[in-house]
Amino acid sequence: AQSVTQLGSHVSVSEGALVLLRCNYSSSVPPYLFWYVQYPNQGLQLLLKYTTGATLVKGINGFEAEFKKSETSFHLTKPSAHMSDAAEYFCAVSYSGGSNYKLTFGKGTLLTVNP
Amino acid sequence: KAGVTQTPRYLIKTRGQQVTLSCSPISGHRSVSWYQQTPGQGLQFLFEYFSETQRNKGNFPGRFSGRQFSNSRSEMNVSTLELGDSALYLCASSSRGFHEQYFGPGTRLTVT
Repeated sequence: AQSVTQLGSHVSVSEGALVLLRCNYSSSVPPYLFWYVQYPNQGLQLLLKYTTGATLVKGINGFEAEFKKSETSFHLTKPSAHMSDAAEYFCAVSYSGGSNYKLTFGKGTLLTVNP
Repeated sequence: KAGVTQTPRYLIKTRGQQVTLSCSPISGHRSVSWYQQTPGQGLQFLFEYFSETQRNKGNFPGRFSGRQFSNSRSEMNVSTLELGDSALYLCASSSRGFHEQYFGPGTRLTVT
């Protein structure tokens, strides 16, 4: 069974500082990996995705993530945090192949950005 | 393109009642998935439909059911509501063959 672990339920950074949100997954087959962001009282917005190809993936709002198969990780980074980045972030995994399109999510990481 | 829409956005029901939630996917998307989000359990997969057929089902009791229409719109139904069913219900759609899903704003269900 596939699973996702997000290390740190709450991360606090200063405006302008590096953002690093950690995600590790377990999957017996090649994974598809995603990061979503959720602002209060809203749905989930897709930030970026890894399916195949380049392991460094760039997304919206200056975020990027690197797929490291050897470490089964897909950490999300942003060089300089902005106040508008404050939200909850979810890492998700899906199987490649077959007809299983279910997303399995981590528990989420709440990002606080301090002025 | 218009995004995923869900109606209603907010709903208050009483224990024992039933409820129907609606989801309209992005135009051209034929796969619709439903998720339940609660503070305790996080985001949990309910079921996924493609071309009016349920392809996958999560680990929820039979009180939770869904269907998809020929225009890809989907509904989910919860019968005999329990207090624990209070949650944000999210619908997501995806294009055939693609795993990324696009989410609607959700329906906030409160059971009293």
